Amino acid sequence: EPEVTQTPSHQVTQMGQEVILRCVPISNHLYFYWYRQILGQKVEFLVSFYNNEISEKSEIFDDQFSVERPDGSNFTLKIRSTKLEDSAMYFCASSRQGSSNQPQHFGDGTRLSIL
Amino acid sequence: KNQVEQSPQSLIILEGKNCTLQCNYTVSPFSNLRWYKQDTGRGPVSLTIMTFSENTKSNGRYTATLDADTKQSSLHITASQLSDSASYICVVSAYDSNYQLIWGAGTKLIIKP
Repeated sequence: EPEVTQTPSHQVTQMGQEVILRCVPISNHLYFYWYRQILGQKVEFLVSFYNNEISEKSEIFDDQFSVERPDGSNFTLKIRSTKLEDSAMYFCASSRQGSSNQPQHFGDGTRLSIL
Repeated sequence: KNQVEQSPQSLIILEGKNCTLQCNYTVSPFSNLRWYKQDTGRGPVSLTIMTFSENTKSNGRYTATLDADTKQSSLHITASQLSDSASYICVVSAYDSNYQLIWGAGTKLIIKP
């Protein structure tokens, strides 16, 4: 069964540095998402992306964050000038359609640790 | 305020037994409710998605129920297996919007042999 793949599985970065998290969504999916989960807390929506532009974003997704689909397969989340509180598990997801009643397929996440 | 509350917070049962997890929500207007299974260190996996008109939906040994009047849902697991050990998360959509997905904190289920 097709899967969403994320790299790296664990990223350790110094505070203030930029980090890029990478995702390869399922090939025939058109909608892409980033979520984060701080250790022990609920999953939080960051952003959704369709047709090469952001369709929705949460209050968390401020100017520090950006997303890009640089080619036909990758979907990236860039975090500029990382802060300690950015430490979390970041999940990428994709779906064939954009309606919220469509199943979203999640990757296994990138654990981001900011030192 | 839109909220999703799950109970119990954690649950330990013996392999082969059944269990039921609860989800209460105050999300309005309601669009749909889904249950996810999240293994430790893995991403969530969708088990069921139910809209307003659906009362019951099954996925193998998992059966979800929805009472839109009382704003309650349950996830029943039959004949539990060791591989069912995971967190089970209830997620409710207020609008046809991913931004408006309200995530619960999950129930951590441990199956003991």
